Amino acid sequence: DTGVSQNPRHKITKRGQNVTFRCDPISEHNRLYWYRQTLGQGPEFLTYFQNEAQLEKSRLLSDRFSAERPKGSFSTLEIQRTEQGDSAMYLCASSLSKGKGATEAFFGQGTRLTVV
Amino acid sequence: AQKITQTQPGMFVQEKEAVTLDCTYDTSDPSYGLFWYKQPSSGEMIFLIYQGSYDQQNATEGRYSLNFQKARKSANLVISASQLGDSAMYFCAMREGPGGYQKVTFGTGTKLQVIP
Repeated sequence: DTGVSQNPRHKITKRGQNVTFRCDPISEHNRLYWYRQTLGQGPEFLTYFQNEAQLEKSRLLSDRFSAERPKGSFSTLEIQRTEQGDSAMYLCASSLSKGKGATEAFFGQGTRLTVV
Repeated sequence: AQKITQTQPGMFVQEKEAVTLDCTYDTSDPSYGLFWYKQPSSGEMIFLIYQGSYDQQNATEGRYSLNFQKARKSANLVISASQLGDSAMYFCAMREGPGGYQKVTFGTGTKLQVIP
């Protein structure tokens, strides 16, 4: 399977614990995005990388959130001291930047986080 | 103001009939792109169709077509010959500015149910 892969698919954690999610993009894609989706809403942009550089972060990404893409391939999203409001689906997507003109992004199946 | 507005929380359509899902957008950027994604219950966001703001023709992809009315700032998705497998959430999304996918703003979605 050469699509975007996210692990784990589901995570249940106690409030105050740290969690880390992983995303493996499509191999030749240089851009990688993280989105958060809560029930009944569309995905909300969190951050994106071009290769290993984190180019933009949303204000939604509080100090408790950190994302990395150390070698420009896979990415991790860590949430420290989780809160119940962090419960959501975390979606990863990747795309191939071709300069002018958009290309679509391909999404993974997401990691559903439940904070109890 | 909402950048992407989808006014239909839910829609029903008879199998084999056509259906139009509404989307209006708000931007002052002359260069932008509009996307439609399908999200089945499995959670993955599936890219359907893309329309660039400078594209002269309405985009079509198989049974999907995008009715782009620039002056009205609308980008409705038309699905022809609906199939049971089309039952899903549908999200309209917009990229502002040139230069690739970058961050994209999503609407709140429309839940489409196809009736046999």
